[in-house]
Amino acid sequence: DTGVSQDPRHKITKRGQNVTFRCDPISEHNRLYWYRQTLGQGPEFLTYFQNEAQLEKSRLLSDRFSAERPKGSFSTLEIQRTEQGDSAMYLCASSSFLSRTGELFFGEGSRLTVL
Amino acid sequence: AQSVTQLDSHVSVSEGTPVLLRCNYSSSYSPSLFWYVQHPNKGLQLLLKYTSAATLVKGINGFEAEFKKSETSFHLTKPSAHMSDAAEYFCVVTPGSGNTGKLIFGQGTTLQVKP
Repeated sequence: DTGVSQDPRHKITKRGQNVTFRCDPISEHNRLYWYRQTLGQGPEFLTYFQNEAQLEKSRLLSDRFSAERPKGSFSTLEIQRTEQGDSAMYLCASSSFLSRTGELFFGEGSRLTVL
Repeated sequence: AQSVTQLDSHVSVSEGTPVLLRCNYSSSYSPSLFWYVQHPNKGLQLLLKYTSAATLVKGINGFEAEFKKSETSFHLTKPSAHMSDAAEYFCVVTPGSGNTGKLIFGQGTTLQVKP
């Protein structure tokens, strides 16, 4: 399978704990994106990387959130001191810089439940 | 600022009847517009995209959409619904010039298909 993969698919944690999600993009894609989707809403942009550089961060990304893409391949999204409001689906997507249309390819998401 | 408004949060049709999912957009630039579909526990999948070429865009699974600049609309249609079309549909716009892949999603329309 050469699609975008995310791990874990589901995570249940207690408030105050730290969680980390991993995303492996399509191998030839140099852009990687994180989105968050809450129940009944469309996905909202969080951040994106071109290769290893983080080029933009949304105001939704509080200082408890950190994303990395150290070698320009996989990426991690860490949430520190989780709060109940962090409960959501975290979506990763990738694309090629050469794509004129801006089409993104999404993974199946990592669902976070904070108790 | 760019935005999309999906005019119906829920649409119900009978199998074999036409589907119409409505979307209006707001953009300062010539937009790229997309429709994505999300089946339960599946990743977002691109249905079709408009990128300033033909105004009538054909996508996968018999879906099509027409870009109408005068009406700022990009409605999604299908002549005959199938049970497998039941899913969440998102109208999406890219925020203006430059191709960063930062997509702006509508709130989604749930399509129910009755036998």
